[in-house]
Amino acid sequence: DTAVSQTPKYLVTQMGNDKSIKCEQNLGHDTMYWYKQDSKKFLKIMFSYNNKELIINETVPNRFSPKSPDKAHLNLHINSLELGDSAVYFCASSQEGQGSYEKLFFGSGTQLSVL
Amino acid sequence: GQNIDQPTEMTATEGAIVQINCTYQTSGFNGLFWYQQHAGEAPTFLSYNVLDGLEEKGRFSSFLSRSKGYSYLLLKELQMKDSASYLCASMDSNYQLIWGAGTKLIIKP
Repeated sequence: DTAVSQTPKYLVTQMGNDKSIKCEQNLGHDTMYWYKQDSKKFLKIMFSYNNKELIINETVPNRFSPKSPDKAHLNLHINSLELGDSAVYFCASSQEGQGSYEKLFFGSGTQLSVL
Repeated sequence: GQNIDQPTEMTATEGAIVQINCTYQTSGFNGLFWYQQHAGEAPTFLSYNVLDGLEEKGRFSSFLSRSKGYSYLLLKELQMKDSASYLCASMDSNYQLIWGAGTKLIIKP
């Protein structure tokens, strides 16, 4: 059974379109995340979310919005896609703690290509 | 500012030992993580250090020196499947992970 699953694996779309990436975790974790990995391979956090709090990285454009229908799902919606949005997007989850050791479990990634 | 430095690429021979270094500068410190990422795949957890010293886990060991802002990942008895990128990440005072760009490790027969 896949612990953290995200779809689609590949997403090719035109500039200006709106798209969504779905993520589900079956680990019973309290916290889910969206990361962006650019061409230089840096992983940058975009959002972290649990049932109490959404933390947004202030550098993320408001065209990006997380949507969580329930604790096991955190989808990423992107409006008005731009060329610079092309990257690999990873969903991840961890068990909430008071900042203690929180191992991340990642999904397999979505490679987004904006043409 | 917050910064993680690690070499971009390293090459080693199958069966040998390799050490991947990481230096970090973060606002506060709550631990140092190492993740492995094979090409086209998700990162997977390897190790966590919060106290100084060496943590050994099979063929992989991780070392931390908080006073020097330094960690290394030691891989022994290298296998071809160890070819991957190794990501160093430091957890800051807000419990946010600051990631390095990763070290691409190439294993040659």
